[in-house]
Amino acid sequence: EAGVAQSPRYKIIEKRQSVAFWCNPISGHATLYWYQQILGQGPKLLIQFQNNGVVDDSQLPKDRFSAERLKGVDSTLKIQPAKLEDSAVYLCASSMEGFLYNEQFFGPGTRLTVL
Amino acid sequence: AQSVTQLGSHVSVSEGALVLLRCNYSSSVPPYLFWYVQYPNQGLQLLLKYTSAATLVKGINGFEAEFNKSQTSFHLRKPSVHISDTAEYFCAVKGGSQGNLIFGKGTKLSVKP
Repeated sequence: EAGVAQSPRYKIIEKRQSVAFWCNPISGHATLYWYQQILGQGPKLLIQFQNNGVVDDSQLPKDRFSAERLKGVDSTLKIQPAKLEDSAVYLCASSMEGFLYNEQFFGPGTRLTVL
Repeated sequence: AQSVTQLGSHVSVSEGALVLLRCNYSSSVPPYLFWYVQYPNQGLQLLLKYTSAATLVKGINGFEAEFNKSQTSFHLRKPSVHISDTAEYFCAVKGGSQGNLIFGKGTKLSVKP
């Protein structure tokens, strides 16, 4: 079974530029998550999708971050414009729906460096 | 609101030793608790999870964790660690109305030969 795919793996940009990350979840997983992991901290949820609808984006900085999940499969997370403090690893995860304690499967992450 | 606290940001032990990684949680409802491992430049992998069944939970790679309600703890241990266990370990609790994961800050485990 293929895992969660993410691209690119690494990205270096200058502040005020824009950047986009892509995620392909495990086939059949209805729920998709984007997490931000700043160096030295645990991952923090940015946004959660159920199929192609948003169920939690309370911690997403909506003035600069946006995300979409077209057709309930792939997802894209965008930052525009980027700030220095956005330097982090962005993790995508997916899980099946229906059980509160279902395991979340994580992708390898995209490491973003903002200069 | 649910939260987790991991005591000790770095732990260093010798190969073959017992290791104990500490996690305390705060939850107003019966918690669902998890331990994840993150190897360098990789995503997170589930080690084990507690879902209100047995209080001693066995996971992959010889790890186990014990749920203690009175002490609100879910400590992770392995009786004999290997160099390949060198990684960062995260404790997490299911939180929020949609069941997203709330992570601790992580504990980096270094296993020396």
